[in-house]
Parts: sequence; structure tokens; C-alpha cells
Amino acid sequence: QVVESGGGVVQPGGSLRLSCAASGFKFENSVIHWVRQTPGRGLEWVTGIGIDGYQHYLGSVKGRCTISRDRSTVYVQLDSLTTDDTAVYYCVKEGYSSGHAPAFDVWGQGTKVTVSS
Amino acid sequence: DVQMTQSPDTLSAFVGDRVTITCRASQSISNWLAWYQQKPGKVPKLLIYKTSILQSGVPSTFSGSGSGTEFTLTITSLQPDDVATYYCQQYNVYSPSFGQGTKVEI
Repeated sequence: QVVESGGGVVQPGGSLRLSCAASGFKFENSVIHWVRQTPGRGLEWVTGIGIDGYQHYLGSVKGRCTISRDRSTVYVQLDSLTTDDTAVYYCVKEGYSSGHAPAFDVWGQGTKVTVSS
Repeated sequence: DVQMTQSPDTLSAFVGDRVTITCRASQSISNWLAWYQQKPGKVPKLLIYKTSILQSGVPSTFSGSGSGTEFTLTITSLQPDDVATYYCQQYNVYSPSFGQGTKVEI
């Protein structure tokens, strides 16, 4: 399983750091992503990091989102937050790949981020 | 970016009915399509990957088919436990993208 932490309420323009810890599988051999969900936009992939640290970003967050990892945890730093970033953020494990992009077989319970003044 | 569109948005059926959900991609994604089930108040769960392969533990009442730009998820005999929102997701290219969801009701 994966467990997220770090959500909360932040003002527009602020920053937030989310964390994802894993158990029950070889974390260091796993590609980890973040997917967010809102009532209005549904499910939206945000970012992912490979075993080698290679990063992918959704176009709308590129430049203000940074994903990183150490031996046991994946982090995502979100800066210059807007109300459009309000969502439940899920840490997800890549289970299958086309060789180009992932499908996700393990989902965390999610952490809620609210951007509001 | 690849846009994924599901139909219908909401589906009401009876217990025991055969139910079909359609997912269309804005460009060919070969067979790189996954389906997820999200029950009310719960986390999405992977049902099917690579168009038609059932994830471990998923009952055989679920099946998937299609290729290119048009795909379907079928529930052969709808059960009360199947009440959920179903999402398709392409993973042919970055950024992986989801359909808007189909809510299945009884």
C-alpha cells in the first residue's frame, strides 16, 4: 500500500509538500505517480518519477511542481498554488506500462489540498 | 494530448442486466487502455489493463474489448456491489489521461 501525507489548506500563491510512503512492495523498484481528483475535472495525472529519478509532469504544473524520491518516500512540491489545484491528491504505483506511459495498480487513500484565501 | 470521452455519463439498469460503457480516444491508442472502478467514498481500483486483461481478483463478470480509438467495458450481470463510477484511462502516450467517468446505478 501507499500512504500520503501533507495535504491541508493553503492560500493562493502558497506552496505545499506532499509525501508518499509505501509498504508491502519493493518501493525502490517502483515507479510512483500522483493523480488528483476534483468533482469538476475528474481524475487527472499530475506527475511521476521513475526508478532512476526521471520525472514527468503534466503541462499545466510544469515549472511549479517538483517530484523527488529517496529510498522510502516520494515527495511532490507544489508552488504558486491556485484554486485550480484544489483536489484530492492520490499517490499511485505504476503497475503496467506501454513502454511510454503508465497504468496504476496501487492507490493511496488520498490527501486533500484546498487552496483558498 | 489524448482526450478520452466516455458514454453515457450515467447509466441506470436492473440487477442481472448486461451493461456496456463506451470509451473513445481522440487518437489511436492501440490497446493501451485501462478501466478503473470507484465505489462511493472509495479510492479508484484497477479493473482491466491492456484493453481486456483482468487485474488479479477482478470477477469474470467484467470484460473489456476494443482497439484504436473505441473501447468498451461490459458487466455481464449487474450486481448491487457494482454500483460505482467507472473510468477509462489511456496509457499509450504521456500525459496519461482519463475519461470523465460513467456512473452506474441500480
